[in-house]
Amino acid sequence: EIVLTQSPATLSLSPGERATLSCRASQSVSSYLAWYQQKPGQAPRLLIYDASNRATGIPARFSGSGSGTDFTLTISSLEPEDFAIYYCQQRSWPPYTFGQGTKLEIK
Amino acid sequence: EVQLLESGGGLVQPGGSLRLSCAASGFTFSSYAMSWVRQAPGKGLEWVSAISGSGANTYYADSVKGRFTISRDSSETTLFLQMNSLRAEDTAVYYCAKALYHLPYGGEDHWGPGTLVTVSS
Repeated sequence: EIVLTQSPATLSLSPGERATLSCRASQSVSSYLAWYQQKPGQAPRLLIYDASNRATGIPARFSGSGSGTDFTLTISSLEPEDFAIYYCQQRSWPPYTFGQGTKLEIK
Repeated sequence: EVQLLESGGGLVQPGGSLRLSCAASGFTFSSYAMSWVRQAPGKGLEWVSAISGSGANTYYADSVKGRFTISRDSSETTLFLQMNSLRAEDTAVYYCAKALYHLPYGGEDHWGPGTLVTVSS
């Protein structure tokens, strides 16, 4: 089973700042990595798939990069609605494991 | 508009069984893989199972293999999860989700609101 480790666990930033979230895989997942956003009481929302492709309707301030074992989700300028929990998920091979999440909170 | 709605959750005793359903609409059901993902109270996301668009391929997390069975009915555009030998650690909100492709690559681009399963005596 591929283990995904997200860092940091919590990220405290202000609106307008740049957010950089990291996801590291225990073995190569090529580019088969997705990012999701989840707000309290809501289902997750797909942001990025195949490491760098934005899902339909996702604002351009969200971008993904990386391949192999190291991946990054960048939010270029935080909007108030971006404060949430972010999960990475590998889609290289089942089981399609998730990382433990990064909580992005308002500073 | 894609819509997914789970049902069948509830309270069940340890060792019991439950069958979850997910009614899908707004897309060509048989063209897309479908998944179940769960979230224990206050915890992160856990992928549970997936099935290809044709239903020919199924995939399971180690934690549920041999106890859970995923299936789909294309005529009724419904996804199922049969859960047997339930344990306290299966307590979670169970989400049904539509994948991007016929096989479960890429990710899940639409999700239902979830249904709560509680395993307790």
